[in-house]
Amino acid sequence: GAGVSQSPRYKVAKRGQDVALRCDPISGHVSLFWYQQALGQGPEFLTYFQNEAQLDKSGLPSDRFFAERPEGSVSTLKIQRTQQEDSAVYLCASSLTFRDSGYTFGSGTRLTVV
Amino acid sequence: GESVGLHLPTLSVQEGDNSIINCAYSNSASDYFIWYKQESGKGPQFIIDIRSNMDKRQGQRVTVLLNKTVKHLSLQIAATQPGDSAVYFCAEMAGNDYKLSFGAGTTVTVRA
Repeated sequence: GAGVSQSPRYKVAKRGQDVALRCDPISGHVSLFWYQQALGQGPEFLTYFQNEAQLDKSGLPSDRFFAERPEGSVSTLKIQRTQQEDSAVYLCASSLTFRDSGYTFGSGTRLTVV
Repeated sequence: GESVGLHLPTLSVQEGDNSIINCAYSNSASDYFIWYKQESGKGPQFIIDIRSNMDKRQGQRVTVLLNKTVKHLSLQIAATQPGDSAVYFCAEMAGNDYKLSFGAGTTVTVRA
């Protein structure tokens, strides 16, 4: 596609509920990143995929967070037993060669845990 | 209008004036820097980048200056327009890394 697509745009979850956030990167982009952006803050790195391989998950806040990209294209970020502190915008980005033009970000999924 | 000091969260500028947004970075190993613009409800949008072997780079209405001695980055926007109202983030990447580290951002508001 022309850009990075994320769905849903908004998600309200009750505390304790599991959620799944989807990212469709730009076609052909090898690298895929997930970032978390709290209100009024800059994005914070969560995890990085190169094709289907998750090469870095050092930014995932807890073992309740899980990401996958099984076929090297679409990625899903799953949060189990959501808590209020998980409320944030979750951004997905993809790149062909990130040192040429950074990443292309999607519009994000705003997760609100009530 | 100019954000002074290390970082000022907000900048109000008159339409048509030039804007200067400042950013301090902390990692001496950072060698690639990007400015992003983020409008409400959207993801960060690439504006301009610069590598550490350069001091200045110009784009359309934007200029990025890099001072490695004091680890300072600035973004200059010429003839600021209402559509420039957004949050601006500087981001850095170290030579052996693929992760971007973002600053807290500066909110720019353009007055008509």
